[in-house]
Amino acid sequence: QSVLTQPPSVSEAPRQRVTISCSGSGSNIGNSAFNWYQHLPGKAPKLLIYYNDQLPSGVSDRFSGSRSGTSASLAISGLQSEDEGYYYCAAWNDRQDTYVFGSGTKVTVL
Amino acid sequence: QVQLVQSGAEVKRPGASVKVSCKASGYTFTSYDINWVRQATGQGLEWMGWLDPHTGKTGHSPQFQGRVTISMDTSISTAYMELSGLTSEDSALYYCARDLGSGTYLRWFDPWGQGTPVVVSS
Repeated sequence: QSVLTQPPSVSEAPRQRVTISCSGSGSNIGNSAFNWYQHLPGKAPKLLIYYNDQLPSGVSDRFSGSRSGTSASLAISGLQSEDEGYYYCAAWNDRQDTYVFGSGTKVTVL
Repeated sequence: QVQLVQSGAEVKRPGASVKVSCKASGYTFTSYDINWVRQATGQGLEWMGWLDPHTGKTGHSPQFQGRVTISMDTSISTAYMELSGLTSEDSALYYCARDLGSGTYLRWFDPWGQGTPVVVSS
C-alpha cells in the first residue's frame, strides 16, 4: 500500500476541469517535492509537474500543480479526450529511503 | 534530442536473471542519475533503484534487497538493471528514466525510456 493516496478514478465531460488529490504521510514525505506523471496507454510515463507546481517545458498549461503541507493536487482544465489515462503523484519517502508513487488515478473523459 | 533507448523484450524461466540496458543520448551521461521503475500488468508504477553515473554509486528499494544490481558502462553511456531470482510476479514493463532533480528530496524523472517487457514463465 502506497504512502501516497490518490482516488482510483475521476471523470468529467470534455472542456471541464478535474482535480486529482495526493495525500502523503508527514513522517514520510517531509520536505520532499511532489511530482506528477501522466501515463497514457501504450506510452512511456511523462513528467507533467515537478517540484510541486513547476511545469516542464513543452507541457500544456492546462495542467497545474499545487501543494499544501504533505498533500498535493493536480488540476487539468479544458479536459480533452487525449488526456484519458493514468496520473501518478510521486515523492521521496525519507523514512524508507525510496521514491514512491501514488496508486494512480484513472482519468476518463465522458 | 535527449533520449533513453532500452533493450528488447525478454522471456525468462522462474529462478533466472534478466539484465536490461538503457542507452542515453543527447546529453552528458555522467551529469544525471538514472532511475529504474517497473509496472506489472494491471498495477501501478514501482520504483526500483537509482544510479549516479558520475560516481558509480547506487541505491535501491528494500523491496528488491539482494536481487537487483544496477550498473553502467560510461564508455557507451549505458546503464543496466539486473534482477535475479525471477518469479512470475516480476513479469512487468521495466523503464529507465533520467533524474533531473537536484538532491535526495528533489527527484523528478524526464525523459523515460520506451520500456522493456519482461515475461517470467515456465
